Amino acid sequence: DGGITQSPKYLFRKEGQNVTLSCEQNLNHDAMYWYRQDPGQGLRLIYYSQIVNDFQKGDIAEGYSVSREKKESFPLTVTSAQKNPTAFYLCASRTGTGVYGYTFGSGTRLTVV
Amino acid sequence: AQTVTQSQPEMSVQEAETVTLSCTYDTSESNYYLFWYKQPPSRQMILVIRQEAYKQQNATENRFSVNFQKAAKSFSLKISDSQLGDTAMYFCAFYGVASGSRLTFGEGTQLTVNP
Repeated sequence: DGGITQSPKYLFRKEGQNVTLSCEQNLNHDAMYWYRQDPGQGLRLIYYSQIVNDFQKGDIAEGYSVSREKKESFPLTVTSAQKNPTAFYLCASRTGTGVYGYTFGSGTRLTVV
Repeated sequence: AQTVTQSQPEMSVQEAETVTLSCTYDTSESNYYLFWYKQPPSRQMILVIRQEAYKQQNATENRFSVNFQKAAKSFSLKISDSQLGDTAMYFCAFYGVASGSRLTFGEGTQLTVNP
């Protein structure tokens, strides 16, 4: 079945370390997104990419980096510059045509200790 | 920039009763779409219902319906005959065609359905 795979489901890292969250989709979707979810703040957009080798900053890009070398993959790196990295991270994708075709992954819970 | 506001952080309802979740938004765009997403404890995001701004008729999906007031920029979700499985976080979301390729979410409303 087609879908989005985020791994791992839970991730623990020590403060000061960079960590990369994986997002892979086999839906042949053009656009991919990273959202951060914190209690009481909804989902906030970190980065998004509409085509391979191109991406744009969202509302809270500071302390994060991404790459889009393949259509299927959109990894997110949480760097040591991110002040409060502990959060739930959701990846999503969307077909290039049509507004309705958003698909979400099951998320990664990152805890920095 | 678009903003989406959900003013009810938590709500509860008795099983089989009706509940309405509120959402307001602010935009200067005329062509846009509005959505309600459900996030159960599994944290998987599930599309509940969508509304095209150019349509005057309110969208309905089984027990879920919306009250879309375009002039007031209001988009509430009504859940009829509430079921225990409706317990979840509900997010209102906005997509503007001109601003392109991104969903803007509200803060969410945690709905609990009590037996």
